[in-house]
Amino acid sequence: SAVISQKPSRDICQRGTSLTIQCQVDSQVTMMFWYRQQPGQSLTLIATANQGSEATYESGFVIDKFPISRPNLTFSTLTVSNMSPEDSSIYLCSAGEGNQPQHFGDGTRLSIL
Amino acid sequence: RKEVEQDPGPFNVPEGATVAFNCTYSNSASQSFFWYRQDCRKEPKLLMSVYSSGNEDGRFTAQLNRASQYISLLIRDSKLSDSATYLCVVEEYGNKLVFGAGTILRVKS
Repeated sequence: SAVISQKPSRDICQRGTSLTIQCQVDSQVTMMFWYRQQPGQSLTLIATANQGSEATYESGFVIDKFPISRPNLTFSTLTVSNMSPEDSSIYLCSAGEGNQPQHFGDGTRLSIL
Repeated sequence: RKEVEQDPGPFNVPEGATVAFNCTYSNSASQSFFWYRQDCRKEPKLLMSVYSSGNEDGRFTAQLNRASQYISLLIRDSKLSDSATYLCVVEEYGNKLVFGAGTILRVKS
């Protein structure tokens, strides 16, 4: 399975600022996704990161708040914009290929003061 | 109604016990099914895929009943290291994963 690395692993940010999270996969993959896991909750899909086109967002998530880039088949970024304490979560990227199960990066733990 | 429902537990069991987790899903068009394991403050890791024919991997057995929209996981001879949250996951169109809230397992000596 692909090895997925995320940076940063954690950060503490001031409200109103923005943070960009990077996700790097060690091989080319068709699919990359971004998830959020709020404290005590399970994972919720934010968006599908499409290579060469705009990301596809799930209900409740918008591009202005969570802009996503996917410049190639091994890399994606998620920006959390204009952060508030409600954005304190773990953000995870996943990658998958065809019918194979998705695997996850080790997550970015974000706290907003 | 939640798309994927699991008993949150916790299930507190002694070492060596057999424990079973159940999960139901609401979307009959769901395509693939998985159990992931998540340790505290870690990312989810794939435990096993789930097939209608059932599949077994060592002490772990998973089963899917499409007619009842029901998924199960059986863990035999529980180890302390099995303590974790077990996530029932359904894959829908577009390879989107929908997660259950997770079932907490605590294995005690």
